[in-house]
Amino acid sequence: DTAVSQTPKYLVTQMGNDKSIKCEQNLGHDTMYWYKQDSKKFLKIMFSYNNKELIINETVPNRFSPKSPDKAHLNLHINSLELGDSAVYFCASSQAQNNEKLFFGSGTQLSVL
Amino acid sequence: DAKTTQPPSMDCAEGRAANLPCNHSTISGNEYVYWYRQIHSQGPQYIIHGLKNNETNEMASLIITEDRKSSTLILPHATLRDTAVYYCIVRVVGAGSYQLTFGKGTKLSVIP
Repeated sequence: DTAVSQTPKYLVTQMGNDKSIKCEQNLGHDTMYWYKQDSKKFLKIMFSYNNKELIINETVPNRFSPKSPDKAHLNLHINSLELGDSAVYFCASSQAQNNEKLFFGSGTQLSVL
Repeated sequence: DAKTTQPPSMDCAEGRAANLPCNHSTISGNEYVYWYRQIHSQGPQYIIHGLKNNETNEMASLIITEDRKSSTLILPHATLRDTAVYYCIVRVVGAGSYQLTFGKGTKLSVIP
């Protein structure tokens, strides 16, 4: 079983559309994250949730809205998609908020046309 | 968090040891050294971490200098599947606002 799974793996859409990426972890972890990897391969944290509560929001436009229905899921909804949103988005989880051993999903490649 | 410096790329012959250096000269006493890697088209993978003692696990060994200003990740017998970007990260454990910051890393190419 995949520990951290995210869907879809590829997402191609037009500018202005709204899309969602889903993430689920079956590790029993308390903390989940969203990272963005741009075309230059820099990996930057976007959000962190601990037990369904937001603990990190790194200067991300409010078009991006994470939602955590339970601690095993952290979905990312993006409104009014822009060309600059094209990137690979990674979901991750860790056992606790201050545990640096992160488990990452395989990524969602978002292409905005 | 302390800044790290890694060579942008390295080659290693298959079956030989891969030694990946990392400089973290501004590291403070309570910062750990972490290593992750990212194989092409996959998410990053945790490898190992340490504070000041050398560490070894099933994936690699981590050698930290006595002054803690640099460290080396050792893959004892590199295989083609070890070709990846390797990230060295320093971070305080237990800080209130948790954030793992990835730099540019070292692209390791294992050559047959």
